[in-house]
Amino acid sequence: GIQVEQSPPDLILQEGANSTLRCNFSDSVNNLQWFHQNPWGQLINLFYIPSGTKQNGRLSATTVATERYSLLYISSSQTTDSGVYFCAVPSGAGSYQLTFGKGTKLSVIP
Amino acid sequence: NAGVTQTPKFQVLKTGQSMTLQCAQDMNHEYMSWYRQDPGMGLRLIHYSVGAGITDQGEVPNGYNVSRSTTEDFPLRLLSAAPSQTSVYFCASSYGVTGPKGEAFFGQGTRLTVV
Repeated sequence: GIQVEQSPPDLILQEGANSTLRCNFSDSVNNLQWFHQNPWGQLINLFYIPSGTKQNGRLSATTVATERYSLLYISSSQTTDSGVYFCAVPSGAGSYQLTFGKGTKLSVIP
Repeated sequence: NAGVTQTPKFQVLKTGQSMTLQCAQDMNHEYMSWYRQDPGMGLRLIHYSVGAGITDQGEVPNGYNVSRSTTEDFPLRLLSAAPSQTSVYFCASSYGVTGPKGEAFFGQGTRLTVV
């Protein structure tokens, strides 16, 4: 099945710093999502971005489908950004199953 | 519009007990699914449904049962709980698979402990 790798696995930032999280996937996809799992365990939708670039406030994401990667940018980080960030793609063509990466654990310290 | 609602949020079971995790969505989504999240294993698909009356197995279906009698509800049944089923369970829904319909939305999760 498709492989999804995220980097870095762990990231510690000072409040106000910027960061880039990466998601590589092993096969072509027509669907890619970024999620934030907050410290309470909730999975929050950040972006649905099979290709191109989207922005939402301090967060933006870019997916280059032809090169099989996606980037999540967090600018001016805040302590509320702490948690685990996951990317997820379909497990195969037409598959209903999502394959998740192992996530990037982000800790933003004051 | 509540999105995807799961109940309960927390549950402790004794080995051998049975229970049902509830999931409901109000977005008229055809596709619903159950995942479990375990440390170091990520999220794994248990069962899914592509519409009322249609269900299928995912990656880790053993010990679980599902049914889909309405578009809105997709309960997950643990038949005889085992400690290996201690996990966080997530229900998800989407319109479909590809294009804008493929965006999945998750419930807030159910943290289950089997002792």
